Amino acid sequence: QKEVEQDPGPLSVPEGAIVSLNCTYSNSAFQYFMWYRQYSRKGPELLMYTYSSGNKEDGRFTAQVDKSSKYISLFIRDSQPSDSATYLCAMSKGGNNRLAFGKGNQVVVIP
Amino acid sequence: EAQVTQNPRYLITVTGKKLTVTCSQNMNHEYMSWYRQDPGLGLRQIYYSMNVEVTDKGDVPEGYKVSRKEKRNFPLILESPSPNQTSLYFCASSFVGGRRNYGYTFGSGTRLTVV
Repeated sequence: QKEVEQDPGPLSVPEGAIVSLNCTYSNSAFQYFMWYRQYSRKGPELLMYTYSSGNKEDGRFTAQVDKSSKYISLFIRDSQPSDSATYLCAMSKGGNNRLAFGKGNQVVVIP
Repeated sequence: EAQVTQNPRYLITVTGKKLTVTCSQNMNHEYMSWYRQDPGLGLRQIYYSMNVEVTDKGDVPEGYKVSRKEKRNFPLILESPSPNQTSLYFCASSFVGGRRNYGYTFGSGTRLTVV
């Protein structure tokens, strides 16, 4: 079983729709959970960062962590064409800073 | 501007010709790491460094070398590149320890083609 599973998509949605992305993981030691956004021909950039379980909201973005189910989610409300990118989940136990990444989920928001 | 700078952005080389990809960060980060990104395989860690003179293997270290002589620089060395090292490479850095920040700052990437 892979450490982090993320359905690669792609996912196409109309502008204004809610985008829902998720990852599952197998290692219960993960404590730090992140979502990165990667535009074409660019490096990933940190979008959301959550420690342990719970929700975090930042503008149109909401990250959820359910450690009991080993499941994390990212929601994008009122999606815009500028949200078209690949979204990668990542998580860490801490310690040596190593991040385990999902394979990424390509999202296309159609105007 | 806080950033991770990689050079070159694009590189085409021939099998066996040694090359170095440079990485520099201006955020005083202790931790630096190299990844390669391939379609269907995602990001895979090559090497990482927790601080100056401290380096360790990641998940796919074969065929690569690194050094960390200064805090800001973390070059990736391919002594004898082969076609299976054709990939998109990213350097990343972060602070170490505590809850302050485990989020990485990534460079813009180096697209390497080995023919």
